[in-house]
Amino acid sequence: QSALTQPPSASGSPGQSVTISCTGTSSDVGRYNYVSWYQQHPGKAPRLMISEVIKRPSGVPDRFSGSKSGNTASLTVSGLQAEDEADYYCSSFAGSNNVIFGGGTKLTVL
Amino acid sequence: QVQLQESGPGLVKPSQTLSLTCTVSGGSISSGGYYWSWVRQHPGKGLEWIGYIYFSGSAYYNPSLNSRLTISVDTAKNQLSLKLSSVTAADTAVYYCARLEWEFYYFDYWGQGTLVTVSS
Repeated sequence: QSALTQPPSASGSPGQSVTISCTGTSSDVGRYNYVSWYQQHPGKAPRLMISEVIKRPSGVPDRFSGSKSGNTASLTVSGLQAEDEADYYCSSFAGSNNVIFGGGTKLTVL
Repeated sequence: QVQLQESGPGLVKPSQTLSLTCTVSGGSISSGGYYWSWVRQHPGKGLEWIGYIYFSGSAYYNPSLNSRLTISVDTAKNQLSLKLSSVTAADTAVYYCARLEWEFYYFDYWGQGTLVTVSS
């Protein structure tokens, strides 16, 4: 299966909102509400930010939110802060016991 | 608090078998409700799902790696293992173990990762 499609980069100024998209197909993102998002700072392990499309784990700021429409899921970061600068990856269940990731988006806080 | 720690050789020769172990603490692999997984990240690249296993031993692999891959679990030691055979330079990556929630397929705990370089 192919990786989910994410824009390579995104940016915004402190305090602004940024939305990162994650496009799959009707066999993965479109079929299952099993989309999750991960934040990764350089040299660090990924951190779960959103599960099940919209759920925020304990400890994740409410500035982070998720949504889905059709075959595209989105992560929105509101009120951008310097520490939000990182790589972000989406993931989805793809059926037949498979999991796929997006190619990642580098978020820059200007 | 669940913690995962990868261990194994940092350097593997081409055509040999890459072997890694992940030790889980703060929770039991046998507790159920989770798969135990491997994910890798090629240098400067994105994440790639390798495979996952349930404590019962049922394992599921990325089709692109299936023919070279074995994931196993040792419930007595609370460990999972990865073996990838016939490695090439393309297998050079940081390898992470992670806990995968089995109903909604999200990775909630990750190890720190270990870099494995394939080189002669």
